[in-house]
Amino acid sequence: AQTVTQSQPEMSVQEAETVTLSCTYDTSESDYYLFWYKQPPSRQMILVIRQEAYKQQNATENRFSVNFQKAAKSFSLKISDSQLGDAAMYFCALILGNYGQNFVFGPGTRLSVLP
Amino acid sequence: EPEVTQTPSHQVTQMGQEVILRCVPISNHLYFYWYRQILGQKVEFLVSFYNNEISEKSEIFDDQFSVERPDGSNFTLKIRSTKLEDSAMYFCASSYSPSNTEAFFGQGTRLTVV
Repeated sequence: AQTVTQSQPEMSVQEAETVTLSCTYDTSESDYYLFWYKQPPSRQMILVIRQEAYKQQNATENRFSVNFQKAAKSFSLKISDSQLGDAAMYFCALILGNYGQNFVFGPGTRLSVLP
Repeated sequence: EPEVTQTPSHQVTQMGQEVILRCVPISNHLYFYWYRQILGQKVEFLVSFYNNEISEKSEIFDDQFSVERPDGSNFTLKIRSTKLEDSAMYFCASSYSPSNTEAFFGQGTRLTVV
């Protein structure tokens, strides 16, 4: 079975600063994908960034980037130049590459952005 | 940009009543999912659906739950006799590929059972 752990229930960052959210996971499979989802107060689930396990290059989406350490099974999210609108719950998630698999989510990290 | 649409955004129902949550997946998607998030907890998988049948379901998805795709566009989750503990945010997701790696989530339906 797959597990995803986020050890930081809450984090805060000053506006315009950089923050890193941690995620570790466990799977015995080699074909999988990792995601960060953002859940603002509206409680939508918004995809932030995605990483294929077979790619060594870390994914980047504008101010969001990941540090994917496959051997350590670590997948942290870095938010640069934090903005007030970044305040949300952030969920790390894993899915296997096989047919019909479902997401396994971590417990989430609540990020506050201080003005 | 295509999106998954869920209705209603908020549903209040009395304990013991039946409720149907509706989802319109992205039009060319073939795989459909329901997830649940109890307030303050993580998102949990309920069920996946492909080719008009359930592909996989979790322990949460017991006999009081059912899903169907009645008309080729909607994807519904029915809870037959709601309990207080069914109060949660319910998310629909869809994907084109079987690996689900391009899944899109709807905005969620907040279900409150009173």
